[in-house]
Amino acid sequence: KNEVEQSPQNLTAQEGEFITINCSYSVGISALHWLQQHPGGGIVSLFMLSSGKKKHGRLIATINIQEKHSSLHITASHPRDSAVYICAVTIGKLVFGQGTRLTINP
Amino acid sequence: NAGVTQTPKFQVLKTGQSMTLQCAQDMNHEYMSWYRQDPGMGLRLIHYSVGAGITDQGEVPNGYNVSRSTTEDFPLRLLSAAPSQTSVYFCASRKAGDQPQHFGDGTRLSIL
Repeated sequence: KNEVEQSPQNLTAQEGEFITINCSYSVGISALHWLQQHPGGGIVSLFMLSSGKKKHGRLIATINIQEKHSSLHITASHPRDSAVYICAVTIGKLVFGQGTRLTINP
Repeated sequence: NAGVTQTPKFQVLKTGQSMTLQCAQDMNHEYMSWYRQDPGMGLRLIHYSVGAGITDQGEVPNGYNVSRSTTEDFPLRLLSAAPSQTSVYFCASRKAGDQPQHFGDGTRLSIL
């Protein structure tokens, strides 16, 4: 069993929809990261959080330490949000989930 | 600041050849890491360094060497390339402690 599980693996939605991507982990962590990777592109860090909630523009990340679960939400989704979103946890080193491929259709 | 710079962006090698992937950062970050990204497997740690002169193995170190003679540079060496090393390689750096990772743009490597 992977230490970091993301769901769904693939998600297709229409422009404007509210998007939720989930991440569950099985061990104690010191921080959780959400990363974004556009097709053929580099990887950008969106959020790093260890408790509560963070917001940046239309992106919101939450974490529940007791339930070992985090969610990434995108409000008013746009085709430019199409990317792979990767959850990673810090347990000494970074351990990555397999990513969620998000496609937003106009 | 340029951030994390990786070269080359693309490379094709023949089995048995050796090469070095370059990684440099200008943010004075202590931690640097090399990852490989393969379809369906997520990012996997090859080697990492917590400071100049200190390196350690990650999850998939076989076939790769690293060195960290300066804070800025962290090259990854493929000693004798194998088709199983065909992958996209990412270098990353961060400050010590729980800090965000900064990634390079990646090197797409094909071994024939």
